[in-house]
Amino acid sequence: EAQVTQNPRYLITVTGKKLTVTCSQNMNHEYMSWYRQDPGLGLRQIYYSMNVEVTDKGDVPEGYKVSRKEKRNFPLILESPSPNQTSLYFCASGYQPQHFGDGTRLSIL
Amino acid sequence: LAKTTQPISMDSYEGQEVNITCSHNNIATNDYITWYQQFPSQGPRFIIQGYKTKVTNEVASLFIPADRKSSTLSLPRVSLSDTAVYYCLVGERGGADGLTFGKGTHLIIQP
Repeated sequence: EAQVTQNPRYLITVTGKKLTVTCSQNMNHEYMSWYRQDPGLGLRQIYYSMNVEVTDKGDVPEGYKVSRKEKRNFPLILESPSPNQTSLYFCASGYQPQHFGDGTRLSIL
Repeated sequence: LAKTTQPISMDSYEGQEVNITCSHNNIATNDYITWYQQFPSQGPRFIIQGYKTKVTNEVASLFIPADRKSSTLSLPRVSLSDTAVYYCLVGERGGADGLTFGKGTHLIIQP
């Protein structure tokens, strides 16, 4: 079954404590991306990757890092999380159409 | 990517046909039109994609006029479970650029 798997689904943590949200896809897609979704602001792209070792900033990259060492994995890294990064995060795979994961609800206290 | 414009919200009733229009005046020759559906706290789900004329699947139809500057997503006989946000995106298939979803159209179906 074609899947985009994100982990964890929920996380409550504190300011400054580094965290990583993992994303894995089994569709052999070259393009993967991360979004955050906040009430009233819609889906905003954080980073995207066109292929292994190739990444680029989306609309809201500040405070985030990504890496793409393997085709199937695209982790999102928050090195020093802050409360304004509390949000619902989605990983997606493919490009027009995209296939989305189930989301990660992140709370930074 | 072509900029798109959709209504912020729409209301309808169960059993009705709903049409949501998206404007994309600067669509490029290689661009496709893709529609997604999103329920609260879930990731967007691909509904339908088209290049020109009409595309139909088990969920919806997509109508694209000859000039391709707009498209209409048609949902036949909607039910309460069709209440969701619908997004229209325009871009190449298999592209490699950033993607902007916009705020979509919040469709509310009433009994």
